[in-house]
Amino acid sequence: GAGVSQSPSNKVTEKGKDVELRCDPISGHTALYWYRQSLGQGLEFLIYFQGNSAPDKSGLPSDRFSAERTGGSVSTLTIQRTQQEDSAVYLCASSFTGGADSNQPQHFGDGTRLSIL
Amino acid sequence: GENVEQHPSTLSVQEGDSAVIKCTYSDSASNYFPWYKQELGKGPQLIIDIRSNVGEKKDQRIAVTLNKTAKHFSLHITETQPEDSAVYFCAASGGNNRLAFGKGNQVVVIP
Repeated sequence: GAGVSQSPSNKVTEKGKDVELRCDPISGHTALYWYRQSLGQGLEFLIYFQGNSAPDKSGLPSDRFSAERTGGSVSTLTIQRTQQEDSAVYLCASSFTGGADSNQPQHFGDGTRLSIL
Repeated sequence: GENVEQHPSTLSVQEGDSAVIKCTYSDSASNYFPWYKQELGKGPQLIIDIRSNVGEKKDQRIAVTLNKTAKHFSLHITETQPEDSAVYFCAASGGNNRLAFGKGNQVVVIP
């Protein structure tokens, strides 16, 4: 398919473990975004990549959260020493180049549902 | 930062009737306003968007209106069908590529 692909679709892990979530953006999209959606809530911005650089990582909730992007394509979001409050759906989106004053439509994957026991 | 509020939280309509969802935003610098539809277990799907240089945009049964002075924008769905039942999210951005989302609106279309 030509859409944003995320894996795994579901992840259950024990408190204290590290997890890695993967996002494969739409081919040709240089901008990539991570959001978090808690039950019954809207989406909370986490981090934005332009190419391999992250000009805005202000939404990451703590230093346990990190993300990287390599080759201008696939991105991984890593949560270290997971806590129960990290349980949520983690959504990735991508768009064509979004520079300053240039909003481009963001297209989302189906997310990774993370459950911390 | 931008704060987006969305009302009502739940909306039930009879099939064939119209549905209207309203959102307000706080940052007058916001200039891009997309609407997303989210079905259970799926990611949000972009259904329509509007930029601040226009007041209205229409795509078949869906339209969005924007009032920059009052800082609110609305989604209008006409001739609703059961497949329109979903959660709808509005969002706003000021050009920094960071979307601020409302909390969502559950629309239920009653056959």
